[in-house]
Amino acid sequence: QVHLVQSGAEVKKPGASVKVSCKTSGYTFTGYYLHWLRQAPGQGLEWMGRIHPKTGGTDFPQKFQGRVSMTRDTSISTVYMELIRLTSADTALYYCARQKYAFGPYYFDHWGLGTLVPVSS
Amino acid sequence: DIVMTQSPDSLGVSLGERATLTCRSSQSLLNRSNNESSLAWYQQRPGQPPKLLIYWATTRESGVPDRFSGSGSGTHFTLTINNLQAEDVAVYYCQHHSSPPITFGQGTRLDIK
Repeated sequence: QVHLVQSGAEVKKPGASVKVSCKTSGYTFTGYYLHWLRQAPGQGLEWMGRIHPKTGGTDFPQKFQGRVSMTRDTSISTVYMELIRLTSADTALYYCARQKYAFGPYYFDHWGLGTLVPVSS
Repeated sequence: DIVMTQSPDSLGVSLGERATLTCRSSQSLLNRSNNESSLAWYQQRPGQPPKLLIYWATTRESGVPDRFSGSGSGTHFTLTINNLQAEDVAVYYCQHHSSPPITFGQGTRLDIK
């Protein structure tokens, strides 16, 4: 059974950074892209990028380039997302999600429960 | 970026009736290689992450009741929920899975009337 377990909520101040983890189990970690998405309070979903756990290769939408990084630790089947220079607009629930097929389109069949990151002075 | 627009923003339907949700894309999502459209639907119940319902516009995810069906092609898509049940109360999102960046619609909130 596939599980994605995310780290706990973190309160941050403007200008700070946050690093969220997503520990996976129940499938071959290196076989599937993992993506990060976020959802601001009461709002829709926004894609932040993806990482291939085997190669470490990443790609990000232009909006987040230069401000987000994604890494992985294959020894513990965990991926990380770090977002720097936080502002109040980054207050959101951050999700990791598994791309359904190893290669191909980006749609997501398993999701973590989310990590809440409020940004406030 | 492709803009996804859902309608209506909210919808109330009686138990046992049919709900029809619409999603439009600012560009065609037709994939020439397989003649299918790159469109997914998700259900997000309160306090839960999204759940994949449909991909390639019409393919139902494993385990999803057949009350849920997707239709449409190109730029106009529909999610139909037949025989509405209480557990179907949720926000429904469409998402294009064409070339990145992927984007989502703003969501349709479905309630029981």
